[in-house]
Amino acid sequence: AQSVTQLDSQVPVFEEAPVELRCNYSSSVSVYLFWYVQYPNQGLQLLLKYLSGSTLVESINGFEAEFNKSQTSFHLRKPSVHISDTAEYFCAVSEGGGFKTIFGAGTRLFVKA
Amino acid sequence: NAGVTQTPKFRILKIGQSMTLQCTQDMNHNYMYWYRQDPGMGLKLIYYSVGAGITDKGEVPNGYNVSRSTTEDFPLRLELAAPSQTSVYFCASSQRAAGSTDTQYFGPGTRLTVL
Repeated sequence: AQSVTQLDSQVPVFEEAPVELRCNYSSSVSVYLFWYVQYPNQGLQLLLKYLSGSTLVESINGFEAEFNKSQTSFHLRKPSVHISDTAEYFCAVSEGGGFKTIFGAGTRLFVKA
Repeated sequence: NAGVTQTPKFRILKIGQSMTLQCTQDMNHNYMYWYRQDPGMGLKLIYYSVGAGITDKGEVPNGYNVSRSTTEDFPLRLELAAPSQTSVYFCASSQRAAGSTDTQYFGPGTRLTVL
C-alpha cells in the first residue's frame, strides 16, 4: 500500500536562506509524485510534479524536487526563500494507473525576516 | 473559469444537526473528491466520484454521504453531525484519461465546527 512520510512537521528558516522539505514514500509500483502548497486560509495548489523522465523537476517560483527511486524520496528544495514562501507544503503520491492520491501530513514552512 | 467553488466558507452546527456542503467545478473534470483536513494529519479522502452517477467510499466515509447527479456538482451531506466531524473540508477535481496525470484542483475549503 502507498504511504507518504513528511519528516518535518515545521521548518523555521530565515529569509534568503536555503531550505529542504523532506518526503519519503512507499509503493510497490511506479508512482507519480507531487508537491502541493497551501497558503493560509486557502485550498491546496499544485507546486510541481514528477511523472517520468528527468528526475529533477522545477516550479516557476524557484522550488525544485528530485525523484530518487533508490531512496524512495522526493525532497523539495529552494536555494533562497522569501517571506512569501511561508505556507504549508504537502507531498503526495499517486500510483501509476490509479487515481487515488495519498497526501503526507504536511510541513509548515515559516520564513522569518 | 472559477475553478472549484465551495459553499459555505464557515459553518457552526449543533450535535445531531444535518447540513450539505456544496461543491461545483466548471472545468468539465470527470473526477471529483472530498477530503477533510485535520491539524497534523494531512488530507483524508472521504468520498470520490469518477463521473456523474458514480461515487465510492474513500478512507473515512462514515457519517457522510455524497451524490453526483451532474458533472459539475458533488455535494457532501452530513446527516447527524458529531464533534469528531469538526474539520476543514476540501473539494477537488481532476481530469483523468488513459495516460493522463492526476493533478487535482482544490476549492478554498469549508471550515466546520460541531458543538
